[in-house]
Amino acid sequence: DAGVIQSPRHEVTEMGQEVTLRCKPISGHDYLFWYRQTMMRGLELLIYFNNNVPIDDSGMPEDRFSAKMPNASFSTLKIQPSEPRDSAVYFCASSLYTSGAGDTQYFGPGTRLTVL
Amino acid sequence: AQKITQTQPGMFVQEKEAVTLDCTYDTSDPSYGLFWYKQPSSGEMIFLIYQGSYDQQNATEGRYSLNFQKARKSANLVISASQLGDSAMYFCAMRELMIKAAGNKLTFGGGTRVLVKP
Repeated sequence: DAGVIQSPRHEVTEMGQEVTLRCKPISGHDYLFWYRQTMMRGLELLIYFNNNVPIDDSGMPEDRFSAKMPNASFSTLKIQPSEPRDSAVYFCASSLYTSGAGDTQYFGPGTRLTVL
Repeated sequence: AQKITQTQPGMFVQEKEAVTLDCTYDTSDPSYGLFWYKQPSSGEMIFLIYQGSYDQQNATEGRYSLNFQKARKSANLVISASQLGDSAMYFCAMRELMIKAAGNKLTFGGGTRVLVKP
């Protein structure tokens, strides 16, 4: 089975530009998560979806960030306009709901974003 | 208060020896899950092992085992017979099941960096 797929793997852009990160979850998974990892703040959950519906976006830093999941196999995280402090590794993860606490999240390889 | 605490920022271990990575957690939820992930220098997050709060036995997966002490709220990862490829960051994470505000979130600790010496 293919794992979580993210693109691009690396993105370098200039301040003020729009950035779009893409994610394809594992087929059949009904939860999708977007995380950001920085040295200062560690791993932070930005937003997550259940069956394509955003459930909790309380981690989204500000209005410059938006995320969509138009269908079960695709999600985007957009930053507009980008700022240098957005430089980080962005991970997408997916999981399959079970009735217990053991829903394992499987992570994509991440997108390393650098905003100059 | 921190929900997941990993007190060891970094540690060295000799190849072929065992190493224990500490993780303590804080929750009032009676039903929760604890996870360990490995992040090598290449950057990906790799799921290693899971322990449920109601599991009677400690979880094991190959060379990985989880020393789960519920009363102490600790879930330490033990890596036996360390290999050079075990050099990585290791993250402990928790999912709370019954607390509605927790949703389906994973809360991560700050991580422990392990360097295996030949």
